[in-house]
Amino acid sequence: DGGITQSPKYLFRKEGQNVTLSCEQNLNHDAMYWYRQDPGQGLRLIYYSQIVNDFQKGDIAEGYSVSREKKESFPLTVTSAQKNPTAFYLCASGLGLAKRVGEQFFGPGTRLTVL
Amino acid sequence: AQSVAQPEDQVNVAEGNPLTVKCTYSVSGNPYLFWYVQYPNRGLQFLLKYITGDNLVKGSYGFEAEFNKSQTSFHLKKPSALVSDSALYFCAVRVVHYGSSNTGKLIFGQGTTLQVKP
Repeated sequence: DGGITQSPKYLFRKEGQNVTLSCEQNLNHDAMYWYRQDPGQGLRLIYYSQIVNDFQKGDIAEGYSVSREKKESFPLTVTSAQKNPTAFYLCASGLGLAKRVGEQFFGPGTRLTVL
Repeated sequence: AQSVAQPEDQVNVAEGNPLTVKCTYSVSGNPYLFWYVQYPNRGLQFLLKYITGDNLVKGSYGFEAEFNKSQTSFHLKKPSALVSDSALYFCAVRVVHYGSSNTGKLIFGQGTTLQVKP
């Protein structure tokens, strides 16, 4: 069963804590993406990675960090420097740099709430 | 600046009637266009895409979209709406610049809530 998984589905964080959101894909996609979704604002790109051991900042990278040690995995850490982290976080994967243009495939999301 | 606009926050339609969800874009380069649907507390599901060729694109669940280059639009349509079509719809564009790297990044609109009433 191919696809993208995210865990946990719900996450609660105390102020000052770092938390890590998991994203795994078995679609053999080179590229992976992290988006943040807030009501009425659509999706905003946090970080993306085209290949293993390489990643780039998106539009709202401040207060977040990522790693890409394996093709299948792209974890996102929300640090204490992120002042307003409460949001719905979506991970996606796609063909990226490939010559073919294809859609991105999305995981089910993680809802992060700061207590 | 490159952008995607969905001018309607919400669209209301009666079941069985045709529906249209509007999307316009502003980009430099060749746009590749996508529609996604999101149900509450779920990820986005791909509906359809325009890459090249026929301007009328057919997708999942009976949806279709028409690419109009002169009006820079890519409106989503369905001939007969179902109550189960009620959801949040996103238009997105991927910009491809020949001669430079293609990152696969998508630019999303702010979303349109479709409400289909029985």
